[in-house]
Amino acid sequence: DTVLTQSPALAVSPGERVTISCRASESVSTLMHWYQQKPGQQPTLLIYLASNLESGVPARFSGSGSGTDFTLTIDPVEADDTATYYCQQSWNDPNTFGAGTKLELK
Amino acid sequence: QVTLKESGPGILQPSHTLSLTCSFSGFSLSTYGMGVSWIRQPSGKGLEWLASIWWNGNTYNNPSLKSRLTVSKDTSNNQAFLKVTSVDTADTATYYCAHSQYPQGFDYWGQGVMVTVSS
Repeated sequence: DTVLTQSPALAVSPGERVTISCRASESVSTLMHWYQQKPGQQPTLLIYLASNLESGVPARFSGSGSGTDFTLTIDPVEADDTATYYCQQSWNDPNTFGAGTKLELK
Repeated sequence: QVTLKESGPGILQPSHTLSLTCSFSGFSLSTYGMGVSWIRQPSGKGLEWLASIWWNGNTYNNPSLKSRLTVSKDTSNNQAFLKVTSVDTADTATYYCAHSQYPQGFDYWGQGVMVTVSS
């Protein structure tokens, strides 16, 4: 299976820029997607196909990367962005998710 | 507007078969490119993709669950189904169904249904 490695946690101050990384154990082309999940809620899609902003998602969110290295950027971070962020690849079978990065606001 | 809602037994005993239903609206599973997937999440843990079914009837299962998974659909009634055989406590989780349009991500999710496996 394709293993997606994410940093476990990050802490930033409101107004700052934060980058969340996701490294794949093998190439996933650009079939990488990013989700936000707040406690007690279902995940929501932020970015699809590595760099496409999902409709209705604030432009503060952006994605980049291809192959094995991907980044989700939030700029500027707001208090409401406190959540866990997951990457997911759909290039290789089976689909896999990263373990998630918990973003906390200072 | 796309909506999905999962339903299931809530609690079941080890070795039994888990049957889940995803009832959806706002799209048809007979439309080119449409798919419904099942994803689960144990409490406090991460997300695990289980299975997908596509508009053309193709299905894909996570091999980590070996042959325990069966995904199917009823296009006429806008429903998708997941069966998990021989459940044990490790299958305790919140189960989500989600919509996707190939090859994009899971853009609409149900609220999830909590399933507990316990004797």
